[in-house]
Amino acid sequence: QKEVEQNSGPLSVPEGAIASLNCTYSDRGSQSFFWYRQYSGKSPELIMSIYSNGDKEDGRFTAQLNKASQYVSLLIRDSQPSDSATYLCAVTMDSSYKLIFGSGTRLLVRP
Amino acid sequence: DVKVTQSSRYLVKRTGEKVFLECVQDMDHENMFWYRQDPGLGLRLIYFSYDVKMKEKGDIPEGYSVSREKKERFSLILESASTNQTSMYLCASTPIGGGETQYFGPGTRLLVL
Repeated sequence: QKEVEQNSGPLSVPEGAIASLNCTYSDRGSQSFFWYRQYSGKSPELIMSIYSNGDKEDGRFTAQLNKASQYVSLLIRDSQPSDSATYLCAVTMDSSYKLIFGSGTRLLVRP
Repeated sequence: DVKVTQSSRYLVKRTGEKVFLECVQDMDHENMFWYRQDPGLGLRLIYFSYDVKMKEKGDIPEGYSVSREKKERFSLILESASTNQTSMYLCASTPIGGGETQYFGPGTRLLVL
């Protein structure tokens, strides 16, 4: 069983819609949660981090964490074609600084 | 501004060659990491280092070694390159402490023929 799971997609949404990306993790001791965006041929860049249950908003992005259900999600409001990329969920286990990555969800925003 | 650089963006090597991939960060970060990324498999940790001359194996260390002689530089070595090591290699760094953001370099796309 993979430690961090994501649907590979592609998730296709029309421009202006809300894109919802989901991630589940297996280790209940996980403490820190990250969403990275990766454009084709580029390296990952951090867009959100979340450490406690609930929602965290940053501009058009909202990260949601539910530790009891062991999932973390990313909502992108007013999706733009420039949001088309692969979104990687990453988790640190316990107090380690090692990140465990999911395999990513490819998002396609249609103009 | 945070900066992680890698020595090459693209590299083509022959089977059996010794390959050096270099990573340099200018943020005075203690922790440095080497990942490889393959389609459908995500990022997998090869090795990491939390201090000069310190190293720990990640999830897939076989066929690789690392060197960290200076705090800012972390090298990945393929002792004898094989075709199954064709991949995108990503270096990252983070300051000391758990749960910190990892900053990635631009990546090196390695092709082993």
